[in-house]
Order: sequence, then C-alpha cells, then structure tokens
Amino acid sequence: EAAVTQSPRNKVTVTGGNVTLSCRQTNSHNYMYWYRQDTGHGLRLIHYSYGAGNLQIGDVPDGYKATRTTQEDFFLLLELASPSQTSLYFCASSDDNQDTQYFGPGTRLLVL
Amino acid sequence: QQKVQQSPESLIVPEGGMASLNCTSSDRNVDYFWWYRQHSGKSPKMLMSIFSNGEKEEGRFTVHLNKASLHTSLHIRDSQPSDSALYLCAASKGNNNRIFFGDGTQLVVKP
Repeated sequence: EAAVTQSPRNKVTVTGGNVTLSCRQTNSHNYMYWYRQDTGHGLRLIHYSYGAGNLQIGDVPDGYKATRTTQEDFFLLLELASPSQTSLYFCASSDDNQDTQYFGPGTRLLVL
Repeated sequence: QQKVQQSPESLIVPEGGMASLNCTSSDRNVDYFWWYRQHSGKSPKMLMSIFSNGEKEEGRFTVHLNKASLHTSLHIRDSQPSDSALYLCAASKGNNNRIFFGDGTQLVVKP
C-alpha cells in the first residue's frame, strides 16, 4: 500500500505563531494534497500540487501557503496562525489518474 | 459552494442490518464517484469507486450510480460493529482532475 507520512503528529502554537507541517510520500506520485478536517465539514482542500515547484489553490487557501520542494515532499505553512486554523490536517497523494488518494495519518494542530 | 451532498448526516443500524448511504452532486460536470471510509482516529481510505451507470458489488458492499441524476448510494448488508465509521463520498469530472468531498455520513452499527 502507498505510504504517506506526516510530521509532526501533534502541534500546539499560539496566535500569531509560525507553523510548518510536513508531508512525504514514497509512492512516486505526482499529485499531493493538503486538507483540513473539522467536525461537520468533511475534508476541505487547502492546496494541491502536480509536482515539484507546482502549486494549485484549493477551496480554503486563506491563511495558508504551501511549497512542493521535491516529488516526495509537500509542506504547509501557517505564517500567522489563528485559532480558526485549529484543525486536523491530512496530506494525501495520488497518481496521474487521481484514481485513489492515499492519506497520511494526520497532524492535529491547536492554536491557542 | 458544496458540490457533493451526503445524507443522512448520521445513521444507526443494528448489527446484521442494512445500511444505506446517499450522495448527490450539484455539479453536472462530475461523473466519477468514490466512497472513502474513515474509522475514528484514523485517516480516510478508499473503499469503492464507480464510474459507470449501474451497480458494483464487493463482498458486503454495493455501490449504485445513476449518472443522469448524479446520485450514488452505498449499501452495506449484514452490517458489523467494525463498519462503524465516517463514510465520505467524493466526486470529480473525469479521473484526471481534483476531487470534491462531501461532509460524510457517520454510521454506527449497534451490537
């Protein structure tokens, strides 16, 4: 099965803090995604990427930046964290057909 | 604007019973559908996909798709407590574009 890892698994920061969430996939997939999941909202797409250096805006991008440094690594940056960004963040990857998305274990972020 | 709507929001069925979950797209451009399952504290995993009109069965799970009405349904027969999870429907236009997730149906199977 495809492997996607995320770090850290849990993070606590304060309002205005700087946070970087990391994601790595070893499946040779071109597509990678960042989602947030909140109670009652399912999965909401923040940013996604087709390959190193490529970035696409999702549905809820405000307050988030992303960088795809290599095929394997995709980062989500919160430069001025706010309490509204307290959430469970999932990274996922898929092949060019985007048939199945493979999710990482998630990062739980708390912004105080 | 939510492109994928799921119903019901939550569902309780007895062990051994049938669970029926629904999903409809408001975007007439979508034509590929997936069902993902997410157990509590875990990440979502793809359960079944359906791209053609009709029915697809895998063990106790059956998926239906009606492309004219953009409606898909997931049926779980002989439901087990281990089926208790959040079921997410997803849709896309073709299979080479981003997918949209619904808000999910929380299924509880009571022993």
